[in-house]
Amino acid sequence: DVKVTQSSRYLVKRTGEKVFLECVQDMDHENMFWYRQDPGLGLRLIYFSYDVKMKEKGDIPEGYSVSREKKERFSLILESASTNQTSMYLCASTQPWTGGYEQYFGPGTRLTVT
Amino acid sequence: KQEVTQIPAALSVPEGENLVLNCSFTDSAIYNLQWFRQDPGKGLTSLLLIQSSQREQTSGRLNASLDKSSGRSTLYIAASQPGDSATYLCAVRARAGGADGLTFGKGTHLIIQP
Repeated sequence: DVKVTQSSRYLVKRTGEKVFLECVQDMDHENMFWYRQDPGLGLRLIYFSYDVKMKEKGDIPEGYSVSREKKERFSLILESASTNQTSMYLCASTQPWTGGYEQYFGPGTRLTVT
Repeated sequence: KQEVTQIPAALSVPEGENLVLNCSFTDSAIYNLQWFRQDPGKGLTSLLLIQSSQREQTSGRLNASLDKSSGRSTLYIAASQPGDSATYLCAVRARAGGADGLTFGKGTHLIIQP
């Protein structure tokens, strides 16, 4: 089974802090994604990566950056956390073509910025 | 821009009933459609993936159908159980190639009464 893990289930940070959310997948997937999920707004794509060191902006990239130095690891960075970034963050991975593009999700990180 | 709508937003039924969850999308040019389950405070679990060339997929008591031309999918749950209580999300992928993320509906919150 594909496994996607996220470094923290719950995280509390202060406004202005730099925050790192880590995601690791164990199936050698090429594509990885970061979404945020908010009540009433659903899941929205922040960033995705289709290869090591390659990244593309999603629908709501403002205030975020990402890093993919190794194929299995995709990090989301909040350069200066703000209260409107309080949310559930979900990482996902997929294997294109042979994998049918089925997306697999991690357990999520509930981030609270105070 | 693709929009995904799920009806109803919430549903409460007695245990044992068969039920149907609906998903519609505005742009029929999709690559695939995926149904997920989400338990409170948790990540997403993939239930069924239907490629655009397929009409339906089955897994146990779950059956998902796809009518791409009309922009509709349904998730059929047979003989519902209290353990089926969760939020069900459908999501579409626009195309093959690249690393596009999914476009999600806002989900149907399902409660199965014992």
